[in-house]
Formats: sequence, C-alpha cells, structure tokens
Amino acid sequence: KAGVTQTPRYLIKTRGQQVTLSCSPISGHRSVSWYQQTPGQGLQFLFEYFSETQRNKGNFPGRFSGRQFSNSRSEMNVSTLELGDSALYLCASASGGQNSPLHFGNGTRLTVT
Amino acid sequence: QKEVEQNSGPLSVPEGAIASLNCTYSDRGSQSFFWYRQYSGKSPELIMSIYSNGDKEDGRFTAQLNKASQYVSLLIRDSQPSDSATYLCAVNSPASGGSYIPTFGRGTSLIVHP
Repeated sequence: KAGVTQTPRYLIKTRGQQVTLSCSPISGHRSVSWYQQTPGQGLQFLFEYFSETQRNKGNFPGRFSGRQFSNSRSEMNVSTLELGDSALYLCASASGGQNSPLHFGNGTRLTVT
Repeated sequence: QKEVEQNSGPLSVPEGAIASLNCTYSDRGSQSFFWYRQYSGKSPELIMSIYSNGDKEDGRFTAQLNKASQYVSLLIRDSQPSDSATYLCAVNSPASGGSYIPTFGRGTSLIVHP
C-alpha cells in the first residue's frame, strides 16, 4: 500500500507570497490532517478534513486554509507569507475513527525569506 | 487547553539498557494514546498505540497507560543506537462532531550510546 505523499518536498518563498502544498493520503483513508512543526513549538495542529469537510481547526490565523477533494487528496494554502511561517509542514492521513493512528507524509520544508 | 507534557531530554542510555520515556496529559476525556518515533530530518512514524489501562508489549517496546494518573509511558528494552531519535507522545481527545484530535507532546530526545 502506498504511503502518504506530499509535494513539493522543499519550497523557498519570499514574504508576502502565497504557497500551496499538496497531500495524497493512503488509499481508503478519509481523514487528512495538517501539522506545522518547528523546533520551538513542536507539532502544532492546523486542521483536519474528513470527506471533503473541515472537521476540526487549530489556532492558526485565517491565512492558513485548506481543502479536500472527492478523492481525499488535500491541499493547504498559506497566503501573505511571514518569516515565522518557515517550518516543516506535515500531512497525515487516518481512517478517521477514534482509535485510528496518524500516518505521516515526508513533509514539505517551507523557507520564507 | 489540552496539554501533553514530556521531558525534552536528552535522555542518554547505554546500549543494551532500558530506556523509559514518560508523558502526562491534561484531558481526562482522552481515549487513545500513541507513541511516534521521529528521526532527525524525517517525519514521525507510529511505533505503539494503547487504549486501555495496563501494559501493551510489541517486541522490545512496552507501552504503559494509567488513566487515573493521566500518565502514559514507553519502555524500550535492549536499547540500540538505531533507537536514537525523538519520541513523541500523542493523545486523542474528543472534538467536534464525534471526532478526535491528537495533541502531541514536544517530544523526548533519546540518545543510545555504544
């Protein structure tokens, strides 16, 4: 079974630009979550999508948004990039049940200059 | 605010020893508990899950859960240098619409020296 695929692996952007990250979940997984990981804050939950609907949202500004398509693939968008948005962005898929663990992709390393 | 606390370490143990990693959580409604391992520059990978009080063993790994004390731990027996990584504790707590959101601790760095 193919794992979670994230693209691109690396991105370099300048302040004020916007960026879109992509995630393809494990086949059959309907839940896709996005996390931001930085050395100072650890893994921070951004949002979760389930069956094309945003089911949960973390405490991030509205510049961070996402969506999920009918094939469960998900995209995350960050507008008006700030230097502090430099981080590893991880996508994780799950079956969606209470006890379902997360399966992470390799992440997208975003650097904002 | 749901919190998951871990000692950041580093925890340094000699090869062959038992490494003990600990985690406490604040939400008594938490139902599922996970340990992930993250090597430097890589993404987290699941190594253990536990859902009920007691111990759960899988190879060299044992997860322990005590819901009354809001405490979960991971023991690694016969530690190997390849076990050197950051270990993340994650706790699933009830969220909206019957869903669950995992909250992660900041991780404990484990160093196994030969």
